[in-house]
Amino acid sequence: SSELTQDPAVSVALGRTVRITCQGDSLRSYYASWYQQKPGQAPVLVIYGKNNRPSGIPDRFSGSSSGNTASLTITGAQAEDEADYYCNSRDSSGDHLGVFGTGTKVTVL
Amino acid sequence: QLQLQESGPGLVKPSETLSLTCTVSGGSIRFSSYSWGWIRQPPGKGLEWIGDIYYSGNTYYNASLKSRVTISIVPSKNQFSLKLNSVTAADTAVYYCARRDEQAWFYWGQGTLVTVSS
Repeated sequence: SSELTQDPAVSVALGRTVRITCQGDSLRSYYASWYQQKPGQAPVLVIYGKNNRPSGIPDRFSGSSSGNTASLTITGAQAEDEADYYCNSRDSSGDHLGVFGTGTKVTVL
Repeated sequence: QLQLQESGPGLVKPSETLSLTCTVSGGSIRFSSYSWGWIRQPPGKGLEWIGDIYYSGNTYYNASLKSRVTISIVPSKNQFSLKLNSVTAADTAVYYCARRDEQAWFYWGQGTLVTVSS
């Protein structure tokens, strides 16, 4: 299957840690990348590869992977981290970054 | 800093062709290690990859849209474009252009809303 499944919504208290998961068969072979999207804005890459952050992304964002599950962890969540988060990985052919997860809405309480 | 900007009609009639252009600035579209793609997001829904193209002209499309999609590249203008024909209301979405390398979609345009309606 080329699908990537995420929990629809999670909540986290300000300053606490939250983990968002992404499940799919392709994740056994390929890393996921993670995107943050705030209302009315384009997605922003926050994690790629094994656990890499683009320039400007706070180090409270980290990534990991095990088996068919990729995870994005926000350690010490801030109010500005409230957003939708999407994972992305290759499709079953392995050629294209063509599969996006279903998305997780993160609410910071 | 690389920037991408989508342009095109915001309203398209059913059964007609949706045409969008992405203009790249702050860098060349000619790098062979990158691909240039289109991703869309229906209102209130998730992201859907449409397809992407390399400078060489090689294209790759989402199987569910392949029969209706054409992506092309115009290196002389540092642009690439999307055509989606026979559109229906289900094609109403924010359309993003983006650049990917081996691992991720690093750069995105701001997105443009295209509504399919008569």
